[in-house]
Amino acid sequence: RKEVEQDPGPFNVPEGATVAFNCTYSNSASQSFFWYRQDCRKEPKLLMSVYSSGNEDGRFTAQLNRASQYISLLIRDSKLSDSATYLCVVNRDSGYALNFGKGTSLLVTP
Amino acid sequence: GAGVSQSPSNKVTEKGKDVELRCDPISGHTALYWYRQSLGQGLEFLIYFQGNSAPDKSGLPSDRFSAERTGGSVSTLTIQRTQQEDSAVYLCASSLAGLAGADTQYFGPGTRLTVL
Repeated sequence: RKEVEQDPGPFNVPEGATVAFNCTYSNSASQSFFWYRQDCRKEPKLLMSVYSSGNEDGRFTAQLNRASQYISLLIRDSKLSDSATYLCVVNRDSGYALNFGKGTSLLVTP
Repeated sequence: GAGVSQSPSNKVTEKGKDVELRCDPISGHTALYWYRQSLGQGLEFLIYFQGNSAPDKSGLPSDRFSAERTGGSVSTLTIQRTQQEDSAVYLCASSLAGLAGADTQYFGPGTRLTVL
């Protein structure tokens, strides 16, 4: 089983739509969780950290379910500029380096 | 306010040759990481440096891969006797303190390595 699994998509949604991505991780000892965004042929950039209580940043909401080892990202009112690959990221056993999912591709269309 | 820089941006080499990839982290960042991203794959952890501590090399795929970090700043990733399966984008990242969950990793633009 892979450390971090995501639905690769692609998700094609119209502008203004709400879209949700899910991710599962295998290491129950993981303590840090993130969503990164990667544009085509660019480096990954942190979108947001994910906390047990759930957290929101503008149109983006992240949720963590430790019991199910499940992470989600909700994007409301999608913009064309949201088109990218969204990477689910979990820290490795040692706590510092990261395990990345393969990413979920999102295309927002006019 | 320079970010993480990497050189070269692209490298094409022949199978069996050695290559060196360079990473300049953000000034003041004590933690430095190397990852690679193969086509259609997620990022794969390679090695981690934190201050003067011994590096964590647990992600290096073979003994053909090695990395150094001189003076706590610049890092070089060396791949000896390159193979076609080494073709990938090699990404370097740095963070302020290398504490799990405590800081953000900032990535460089990567070096795209193609082994013919």
